[in-house]
Amino acid sequence: NAGVTQTPKFQVLKTGQSMTLQCAQDMNHNSMYWYRQDPGMGLRLIYYSASEGTTDKGEVPNGYNVSRLNKREFSLRLESAAPSQTSVYFCASSEGLGFDEQFFGPGTRLTVL
Amino acid sequence: EDKVVQSPLSLVVHEGDTVTLNCSYEVTNFRSLLWYKQEKKAPTFLFMLTSSGIEKKSGRLSSILDKKELFSILNITATQTGDSAVYLCAGGWVNAGNMLTFGGGTRLMVKP
Repeated sequence: NAGVTQTPKFQVLKTGQSMTLQCAQDMNHNSMYWYRQDPGMGLRLIYYSASEGTTDKGEVPNGYNVSRLNKREFSLRLESAAPSQTSVYFCASSEGLGFDEQFFGPGTRLTVL
Repeated sequence: EDKVVQSPLSLVVHEGDTVTLNCSYEVTNFRSLLWYKQEKKAPTFLFMLTSSGIEKKSGRLSSILDKKELFSILNITATQTGDSAVYLCAGGWVNAGNMLTFGGGTRLMVKP
């Protein structure tokens, strides 16, 4: 039981490049989330998926897109990376509603030059 | 706008001390208040407090929720160096998405 896994662990991009962050969970959870964490700002929600086939914007969605590929997988795409997207990205999942306990992946450290 | 504010921003104590971390929130449709511990990587869950459970305890850690005054505290007694971490507080609201809103965290350092 791996919980929530994320790939890659680290990534360096140049401005304007694109990439996809992958997330998978093996807990049969319905809801999945993408957060970014910047120094001193806690975690901010980018997008979430309350169930397979649905996605919704969170607090900071601009510059990102997501895909809920199936119940297990939820990917985050940066179409044209900008230095302001330098951050640590966490994926999380929860069994039910978003205000219950969420389980977090190990994070992806992204640097955009 | 829903908001969660944590204080202090950082704290340095010595092993054996007791610490109190604070979390205040402004809410529209409150459902839960969660505490997480974040060491070097992913946040790990500590407690969830709701209307039906306003006090939780696990070993040296305990937390209470004051729904009237809109705050929560996390207490750690007999601190150890392994307690050094960032402690995150998050409020759960019922809105279009039923999401968590996180505070900025309190960085705790416990010196030997």
